Amino acid sequence: QQQVKQSPQSLIVQKGGIPIINCAYENTAFDYFPWYQQFPGKGPALLIAIRPDVSEKKEGRFTISFNKSAKQFSLHIMDSQPGDSATYFCAASKMGGSEKLVFGKGTKLTVNP
Amino acid sequence: NAGVTQTPKFQVLKTGQSMTLQCAQDMNHEYMSWYRQDPGMGLRLIHYSVGAGITDQGEVPNGYNVSRSTTEDFPLRLLSAAPSQTSVYFCASSFDSRRGYTFGSGTRLTVV
Repeated sequence: QQQVKQSPQSLIVQKGGIPIINCAYENTAFDYFPWYQQFPGKGPALLIAIRPDVSEKKEGRFTISFNKSAKQFSLHIMDSQPGDSATYFCAASKMGGSEKLVFGKGTKLTVNP
Repeated sequence: NAGVTQTPKFQVLKTGQSMTLQCAQDMNHEYMSWYRQDPGMGLRLIHYSVGAGITDQGEVPNGYNVSRSTTEDFPLRLLSAAPSQTSVYFCASSFDSRRGYTFGSGTRLTVV
């Protein structure tokens, strides 16, 4: 049973475009939703994270939108650049207890010049 | 530099061999995890620890053992390597969930 479902698997946009990556979850106990960025040959790095008490969070060109009732959250990259080409993972965990972090399967983003 | 250090970076094993993947962090993080990354499968949790002396299983624990005798170290042991364990392994640590996990640079393991 996949706890976090991520789509699309791959995405190609032109420079300046706004790629959108979507994730859905089932476990209503989740209360922390981070996004990770991974470049080839590197480990994932935390990009931005959101908690369910807010509907949107922006950090630079990256925005998370969160819809608690639909149990969905998404990542938007404004004015995308070729340097944003990477694999993006959404994840979820719950506070307290073990704080396990479960990941989506990832989206490979390509931003063409 | 502070962070998560994984060794070795690359390893080739024969089927049936055992080995230990090392992971060390110098950030005084309580939470540590091991993930494996396979094409199209994302990052799957193998084992995790919420502090020294405390470990628990993740999504895909079979064939792997862990121990956490110190806050800094969290080694992953492959008991009898199988080709299905060919993967990239990542260790990660966190102070708490509000700050996210810091990942190491990975160990690429091939079992032949």
